[in-house]
Amino acid sequence: AQKITQTQPGMFVQEKEAVTLDCTYDTSDQSYGLFWYKQPSSGEMIFLIYQGSYDEQNATEGRYSLNFQKARKSANLVISASQLGDSAMYFCAMRELVSNFGNEKLTFGTGTRLTIIP
Amino acid sequence: DVKVTQSSRYLVKRTGEKVFLECVQDMDHENMFWYRQDPGLGLRLIYFSYDVKMKEKGDIPEGYSVSREKKERFSLILESASTNQTSMYLCATQLLTEAFFGQGTRLTVV
Repeated sequence: AQKITQTQPGMFVQEKEAVTLDCTYDTSDQSYGLFWYKQPSSGEMIFLIYQGSYDEQNATEGRYSLNFQKARKSANLVISASQLGDSAMYFCAMRELVSNFGNEKLTFGTGTRLTIIP
Repeated sequence: DVKVTQSSRYLVKRTGEKVFLECVQDMDHENMFWYRQDPGLGLRLIYFSYDVKMKEKGDIPEGYSVSREKKERFSLILESASTNQTSMYLCATQLLTEAFFGQGTRLTVV
């Protein structure tokens, strides 16, 4: 089973509109965390936002917010007031423990290619 | 500034060659990872390491091995490169809520 599922291979959004990128995850752990990364055409991986499983508030970073619904195991990224520079691949990732010694693993989804239309 | 440095940005190798991809970090992070990125498949985990000389298989370890002799350096080895290993390879380090990536190595096996 996929640990991280991103069901939208591609999205087209009008500039200045808000956009939601979906991410669902699968874990039986109580302690885990979720990341979102942006990858522009240059190829670098840019950290956007992080949500810990015990965080009670949804994470926000500027125009980015994470809609965390723990019971549904979803961690959707919301970008408000989209800009042309938001066009990129977006990846959701999960960190989880793999041993009792605190060792962790970082697993990614297949990504969503977001295109902002002027 | 965090630095995760991969030794090559572009690499072209012949089928059957032994290939080394090097990754060095200056963050003193315990966890290091190697991924390959292919269109439509996202980032797939090849191997990861949480300590010197420790390694764990990821989701697609076949055809690869790794070495971590020092905390800051994590090497990915293709014992006998094949054309289906043509891909973008990304190294990452992680500690709790922080994870950082190298610039990637685009490997072409001909």
